[in-house]
Amino acid sequence: GQQVMQIPQYQHVQEGEDFTTYCNSSTTLSNIQWYKQRPGGHPVFLIQLVKSGEVKKQKRLTFQFGEAKKNSSLHITATQTTDVGTYFCAEKGIQGAQKLVFGQGTRLTINP
Amino acid sequence: DGGITQSPKYLFRKEGQNVTLSCEQNLNHDAMYWYRQDPGQGLRLIYYSQIVNDFQKGDIAEGYSVSREKKESFPLTVTSAQKNPTAFYLCASSYWTGALVTNYGYTFGSGTRLTVV
Repeated sequence: GQQVMQIPQYQHVQEGEDFTTYCNSSTTLSNIQWYKQRPGGHPVFLIQLVKSGEVKKQKRLTFQFGEAKKNSSLHITATQTTDVGTYFCAEKGIQGAQKLVFGQGTRLTINP
Repeated sequence: DGGITQSPKYLFRKEGQNVTLSCEQNLNHDAMYWYRQDPGQGLRLIYYSQIVNDFQKGDIAEGYSVSREKKESFPLTVTSAQKNPTAFYLCASSYWTGALVTNYGYTFGSGTRLTVV
């Protein structure tokens, strides 16, 4: 079945540094969703991208969907300690029960 | 406030026991899902349900069972056949939007941590 590969698995940064996580697929994605899971918490929906080349911003977070719709990225500018957590990308099925297929996630830790 | 509630937050299971995890939502969502998360891992789909009285197996359904008798409820039973049940279990729900492209994501519950003792 569809697999979404996410890299890196872990990332440690100094507070104030930028952070990027990448999501890749061998086949064309219908869409890509991004979630954040704080330590000990549950995933929280951040955003969905659908269009080729789409770019969306949420304050310091920038989400991109590749032109070929086979990759996506999440970039955080000037990280803060509140950004700590695991970031997941996922493709939402467009048929049936519209299952989410998740990437493995990137765990972000920050040195204050 | 609308939301999705999982209980209990922590659950301890003895070898050979069946246990049931509760998941209730008041969001009027059509679809509900159960995921399993192991430490440092991603989320793997156990079961999902698009409508009442209908559900399908996900990628790792062996040793689990579900029911969907009400739209609001989707309990998960971890049976004694599940050999490695210790994990974090997450329930989620969403609107079923058909072919319509929307910006709806899943809403997750706060999870149940199951430990075999």
